[in-house]
Amino acid sequence: QVQLQESGPGLVKPSETLSLTCAVSGYSISRGYYWGWIRQPPGKGLEWIGSMYHSGSTFYNPPLKSRISISVDTSKNEFSLKLSSVTAADTAMYYCARVEAVADNWHFDLWGRGTLVTVSS
Amino acid sequence: QSVLTQPPSVSGAPGQRVTISCTGSSSNIGSGYDVHWYQQLPGTAPKLLISGNSNRPSGVPDRFSGSKSGTSASLAITGLQAEDEADYYCQSFDTSQRAWVFGEGTKLTVL
Repeated sequence: QVQLQESGPGLVKPSETLSLTCAVSGYSISRGYYWGWIRQPPGKGLEWIGSMYHSGSTFYNPPLKSRISISVDTSKNEFSLKLSSVTAADTAMYYCARVEAVADNWHFDLWGRGTLVTVSS
Repeated sequence: QSVLTQPPSVSGAPGQRVTISCTGSSSNIGSGYDVHWYQQLPGTAPKLLISGNSNRPSGVPDRFSGSKSGTSASLAITGLQAEDEADYYCQSFDTSQRAWVFGEGTKLTVL
């Protein structure tokens, strides 16, 4: 079955860049689907960060757009998130997910287990 | 504060029926965008519960059902079980924010 697994540093210093990778198994990213990132600050709700198609086209949440970059490496069957100039407000559990897209009616049908990123000096 | 409003908490006894509302506006649910629901058990990742307003993915018990009307949507859970205790989130698309948005979540307590 299709599985997603996030990886990356659990601790990032303020003003630095957060970098995470999502490895996909059981399905080739290049076959299709959109893929995305969602985060959840401790004790709070979910926030969509951004998504990308396997061809490389991207969609970012406007408040985060200036700091985000999402890319795909089809040879490794993984996609990545970079979030620059982080602050304590970026401390969260970060999830990668597969997107089921029908026009603008997107939903997230498969999720990784998540990885906790703490921003602290 | 999310553009999709959910009650912070709901509760019910085992076997009872509970509903969780998700209230939006003309820039999201009211514009015809679908509502999707997720269940997040304690310490785990969210799981898709209902897609496209009322569709249950394979493996989701038929005790869970979704509906949508106007600018709101609802998730109903019948025959409440202890294992249903979790946080529930609605999700849709908002044209004003130009983003896929989630409600703030509702904590379900099984008494």
